[in-house]
Amino acid sequence: AQTVTQSQPEMSVQEAETVTLSCTYDTSESDYYLFWYKQPPSRQMILVIRQEAYKQQNATENRFSVNFQKAAKSFSLKISDSQLGDAAMYFCAYRSALMIKAAGNKLTFGGGTRVLVKP
Amino acid sequence: ETGVTQTPRHLVMGMTNKKSLKCEQHLGHNAMYWYKQSAKKPLELMFVYSLEERVENNSVPSRFSPECPNSSHLFLHLHTLQPEDSALYLCASSQDVAVSGNTIYFGEGSWLTVV
Repeated sequence: AQTVTQSQPEMSVQEAETVTLSCTYDTSESDYYLFWYKQPPSRQMILVIRQEAYKQQNATENRFSVNFQKAAKSFSLKISDSQLGDAAMYFCAYRSALMIKAAGNKLTFGGGTRVLVKP
Repeated sequence: ETGVTQTPRHLVMGMTNKKSLKCEQHLGHNAMYWYKQSAKKPLELMFVYSLEERVENNSVPSRFSPECPNSSHLFLHLHTLQPEDSALYLCASSQDVAVSGNTIYFGEGSWLTVV
């Protein structure tokens, strides 16, 4: 079974600065997807960025970028130019690329990292 | 505005009550999901439906009973719950189940407190 670990329960960053959230995962599969979701106080899980394991290039989405190290099974998220609206829980998630119905698009989540942004 | 809406947002129920959580997606998706988010555990997948057919039941106790009358609506019927079932229940949807590249969209969740 796959597992996802986020070792930082909480991270604090000054507004306009950069923060990096770590995520490691364990899998025996070679093809999969990795995601970072943001959960603000409204509790809705919002997709921030996704990475396909077969792609070597790190995904980037505006101020959000990832450092995907497949051999190390590491998937960190960098938030640049942090804004007050970035304050939230951030969850790393894994999903198999198996194309079978029973896989059910199952997302396996890490425990989350709370990001605090100081003005 | 979210494409996945959940009601009620907050629910308090006694252990002998019967209640239901409702989820509706406005995205034209074929797959819907229930996830549980408790304070001390990572999010856990509970159920997956594809075109109204349940394709996964992730070892969930029978006191949770899902229902998917059509591809836009998903219910979670609750009966004789325990206090440890208190959690945030998140509904989600995606275009299809068997296409693993689909993005999964979440609702805002229903806070359940069992007293």
